[in-house]
Amino acid sequence: DAGVTQTPRHEVAEKGQTIILKCEPVSGHNDLFWYRQTKIQGLELLSYFRSKSLMEDGGAFKDRFKAEMLNSSFSTLKIQPTEPKDSAVYLCASRADWGGAYEQYFGPGTRLTVL
Amino acid sequence: QQKVQQSPESLIVPEGGMASLNCTSSDRNVDYFWWYRQHSGKSPKMLMSIFSNGEKEEGRFTVHLNKASLHTSLHIRDSQPSDSALYLCAASMTGGYKVVFGSGTRLLVSP
Repeated sequence: DAGVTQTPRHEVAEKGQTIILKCEPVSGHNDLFWYRQTKIQGLELLSYFRSKSLMEDGGAFKDRFKAEMLNSSFSTLKIQPTEPKDSAVYLCASRADWGGAYEQYFGPGTRLTVL
Repeated sequence: QQKVQQSPESLIVPEGGMASLNCTSSDRNVDYFWWYRQHSGKSPKMLMSIFSNGEKEEGRFTVHLNKASLHTSLHIRDSQPSDSALYLCAASMTGGYKVVFGSGTRLLVSP
């Protein structure tokens, strides 16, 4: 059974560009999360989808970050426009169902560098 | 806002030694605790979970939970260099979707 896949694995962008990160969750999973990870801030929740519906849009990240789930097996995270402070690892995770008792499975991540 | 505090921030143990990591949640509504391990350049992978008071052992790894104090600890005996990683503690609730992560403990096992 395939795990969570993310593409691209690395992305380099110029300040002001638009970038789109992609994620395919574990087949059959209902919940999908987007996180950003940096050494200073740790793991920060950007977005949460339950059965393709956006339930959490990350508050402070709303203005330039937009996550979408076009179908149950594909999600994108758009950052527009990018800023150097967006340089981080972006992680996608999926979970079988709603509720705290289910384990999250993480993808390999996309390392974004904004120049 | 719910917080998960981990200590220590970093830890060095000799190969074959015992590593002890701590985690406390600030939210009384937390029901589930998770320990994830993240090797350098890799993504987090769930190592152990604990939902009830007491202790759970899997091989060299033991996790304790005290629900009254919302404190969990992870103990790694006979530590190996391959255990060197960032250990993330996370907490979640029955009636909620969020998983709140701590900032992690960076473990280095020296040969």
